Amino acid sequence: TQLLEQSPQFLSIQEGENLTVYCNSSSVFSSLQWYRQEPGEGPVLLVTVVTGGEVKKLKRLTFQFGDARKDSSLHITAAQPGDTGLYLCAGENTGNQFYFGTGTSLTVIP
Amino acid sequence: DAGVIQSPRHEVTEMGQEVTLRCKPISGHNSLFWYRQTMMRGLELLIYFNNNVPIDDSGMPEDRFSAKMPNASFSTLKIQPSEPRDSAVYFCASTVLSRRDTQYFGPGTRLTVL
Repeated sequence: TQLLEQSPQFLSIQEGENLTVYCNSSSVFSSLQWYRQEPGEGPVLLVTVVTGGEVKKLKRLTFQFGDARKDSSLHITAAQPGDTGLYLCAGENTGNQFYFGTGTSLTVIP
Repeated sequence: DAGVIQSPRHEVTEMGQEVTLRCKPISGHNSLFWYRQTMMRGLELLIYFNNNVPIDDSGMPEDRFSAKMPNASFSTLKIQPSEPRDSAVYFCASTVLSRRDTQYFGPGTRLTVL
């Protein structure tokens, strides 16, 4: 059972374009994290959101936690080749179970 | 400041052989996690330890897999006997106690079982 579904699974865009990645679940999460993973390396934490409706910004990246704490989105403005990687959401549900999402593989073409 | 250290980085073995993966967590961290990543199943939590004690091993696929943490600075994941379907990248991550929302990952061990 995959509790955290991400979409799209693959995304290829031109440098300078904007994009949004989604992380959805039917479960409520006490917190949700976004990681980025580059080839040959482990995931690196980008942000944690804990409050329903919370919005956090990290330079050109904007993260939002859904009001019901069941979903989240990651928006990248003016994507750059350095943004290329696998984006993973992760979270701990109210049953203290921890899951990673299915992942979105992003390629930004120069 | 060293991050999480894993060894070996790559392992190629034949079916039926024993495989041992090693992890050194970040100094001062007292929670350690083992994950497996494949294209088909994504990143799966296998087991995690708090203060060297296994807390949840429900993700361990079967009895062929075992994990130990004899002290705060070392953990092993053993597969015996290994099978081709065990081929994956195995990650170790560490954090301070109960902060599963802020994990620091090692570079991973790419395991290929022929």
